[in-house]
Amino acid sequence: EAGVTQSPTHLIKTRGQQATLRCSPISGHTSVYWYQQALGLGLQFLLWYDEGEERNRGNFPPRFSGRQFPNYSSELNVNALELEDSALYLCASTNGGGHYEQYFGPGTRLTVT
Amino acid sequence: GENVEQHPSTLSVQEGDSAVIKCTYSDSASNYFPWYKQELGKRPQLIIDIRSNVGEKKDQRIAVTLNKTAKHFSLHITETQPEDSAVYFCAATYGNQFYFGTGTSLTVIP
Repeated sequence: EAGVTQSPTHLIKTRGQQATLRCSPISGHTSVYWYQQALGLGLQFLLWYDEGEERNRGNFPPRFSGRQFPNYSSELNVNALELEDSALYLCASTNGGGHYEQYFGPGTRLTVT
Repeated sequence: GENVEQHPSTLSVQEGDSAVIKCTYSDSASNYFPWYKQELGKRPQLIIDIRSNVGEKKDQRIAVTLNKTAKHFSLHITETQPEDSAVYFCAATYGNQFYFGTGTSLTVIP
């Protein structure tokens, strides 16, 4: 069984630009979660998608947005990049329901210069 | 919403000693409590979990205890080994919403 995949592995952008990060969940998983992990810090919840709909978002500004496609893959967009957006962005997928393990992808390292 | 607090933020133990990490949560509706281990440069991976209808669960050197009344749960690692060095995250979940603690950086000194 293929795991959660994310692309690209690394992304370097300049301040003010836009970044697009992609995530493919495990086959059969319908929920995708996005987290930001800044250096030395914990997992900050960004967004949760399930069955194509945004179900919840964390305490982040609107320039963080995303979507989930019919095949359950997901995209995270960050507009008007700021230096403090530099972080590891992790996505995770579950088979739905709060009793199921979240499987994490390897992450995308975003660097904003 | 749920608020999960995790302590300590850093922990150093001698190889062979035990390590304990504690988490508290605020929402009594939370009913699933996983623990994740994140080694340096790697993705978080589930190491053990417990559901609200269970008080304790063990898996070899790792155990988790849950006190629903006090709303806290703990990770216990016995006979620690250098490969246990990592960041550990607890989480409390209700429905499909996961709330993570801030992480504990565990260092096992050989």
